[in-house]
Amino acid sequence: GIQVEQSPPDLILQEGANSTLRCNFSDSVNNLQWFHQNPWGQLINLFYIPSGTKQNGRLSATTVATERYSLLYISSSQTTDSGVYFCAAVESSGTYKYIFGTGTRLKVLA
Amino acid sequence: DSGVTQTPKHLITATGQRVTLRCSPRSGDLSVYWYQQSLDQGLQFLIQYYNGEERAKGNILERFSAQQFPDLHSELNLSSLELGDSALYFCASSFRTDTQYFGPGTRLTVL
Repeated sequence: GIQVEQSPPDLILQEGANSTLRCNFSDSVNNLQWFHQNPWGQLINLFYIPSGTKQNGRLSATTVATERYSLLYISSSQTTDSGVYFCAAVESSGTYKYIFGTGTRLKVLA
Repeated sequence: DSGVTQTPKHLITATGQRVTLRCSPRSGDLSVYWYQQSLDQGLQFLIQYYNGEERAKGNILERFSAQQFPDLHSELNLSSLELGDSALYFCASSFRTDTQYFGPGTRLTVL
């Protein structure tokens, strides 16, 4: 089955800094999503992005399906951005199974 | 508030017991997903239902089962519980297979 790898595993930023999180997947996908889990455990969907680029405020994401990776950009980071960022992919073979990466743990310092 | 509700919020039970977790999706959503999050296994996809039918099965143990009812709410049944089943169980919903909205989770502790 598909493998999903995220990097870096941990990231510490000063408030106001920018960052790029990466998600690599081992096979072609027809579904790729980014999620944020805040320090209280709540999971929030950030982007549904099987291909192309999307932006939502200070966050944007790009998926290059042909090269099997997706990037999540966080600009002007705030302390509320802290938490764990997961990407999840569904391979194109039709199994419909979601495979999660191990996440990037982000801490933004005031 | 995502619009997805899960009950109960916390559950403490003993090994060998059976529990049922309940999920109500957002109004209008047809798909329901179940996930397990534990410290050692991370986030794992268990199962997906779409409009009452099972659509995808992930790493769901045979001791676990789920269903989606005609009103689209879903239940996850966990039986013969073991210590290792202690985890946070999330439900999510989506209209079809697009953006998922997560419930607050049920924290299961097996003693």
